[in-house]
Amino acid sequence: GAGVSQSPSNKVTEKGKDVELRCDPISGHTALYWYRQRLGQGLEFLIYFQGNSAPDKSGLPSDRFSAERTGESVSTLTIQRTQQEDSAVYLCASSLQVAFGVQRKLGTDTQYFGPGTRLTVL
Amino acid sequence: AQKITQTQPGMFVQEKEAVTLDCTYDTSDPSYGLFWYKQPSSGEMIFLIYQGSYDQQNATEGRYSLNFQKARKSANLVISASQLGDSAMYFCAMREGANAGGTSYGKLTFGQGTILTVHP
Repeated sequence: GAGVSQSPSNKVTEKGKDVELRCDPISGHTALYWYRQRLGQGLEFLIYFQGNSAPDKSGLPSDRFSAERTGESVSTLTIQRTQQEDSAVYLCASSLQVAFGVQRKLGTDTQYFGPGTRLTVL
Repeated sequence: AQKITQTQPGMFVQEKEAVTLDCTYDTSDPSYGLFWYKQPSSGEMIFLIYQGSYDQQNATEGRYSLNFQKARKSANLVISASQLGDSAMYFCAMREGANAGGTSYGKLTFGQGTILTVHP
């Protein structure tokens, strides 16, 4: 089946502009995550959506960052007034997120990642 | 304190040999999951293997195995019979906050990664 898709694959923008990044999770996955990866670094958690629960926004670095998700489908990550330090690869992941008892055995809470959006702020 | 520590910035291995990539973690949560991902130069994150904190046996997936030492809080990845295509960045990650019988919290905390180079 189709994996996680993200668009655009590359985005170059000028400092101060707003950008919107899109993520389509794997069909049937109720959990969706956004991460940021700076050059040569590990991934930093940004935000997490689980079904109809309030999203966990604890990783968003500033109020210029926001994200939305429509039901259990598409999510958009918006960065307003972009800064050069926002330059990074933004990765989206999704997982099934069933009851932990099942997850523990099958690892079905495993997060599957999209190809990422490389954002360059000039 | 770092939650996930990968102490090897780079590792080299000869083709067909085995290699161990180190990962130590720090958590006070009794329920957690440990993951290894591979990131080739193309940038995609490829899931390799998962170990749950309550799992009694070390996880194995093909040529990948996880040497899980709970008391030491280590979860080293062992790749047997290395192939040229194994050359990539490898990340160890942890998920905390899972409740037995409930839904897990989900957020992954990643280490800084280890670059593995396989020589012919």
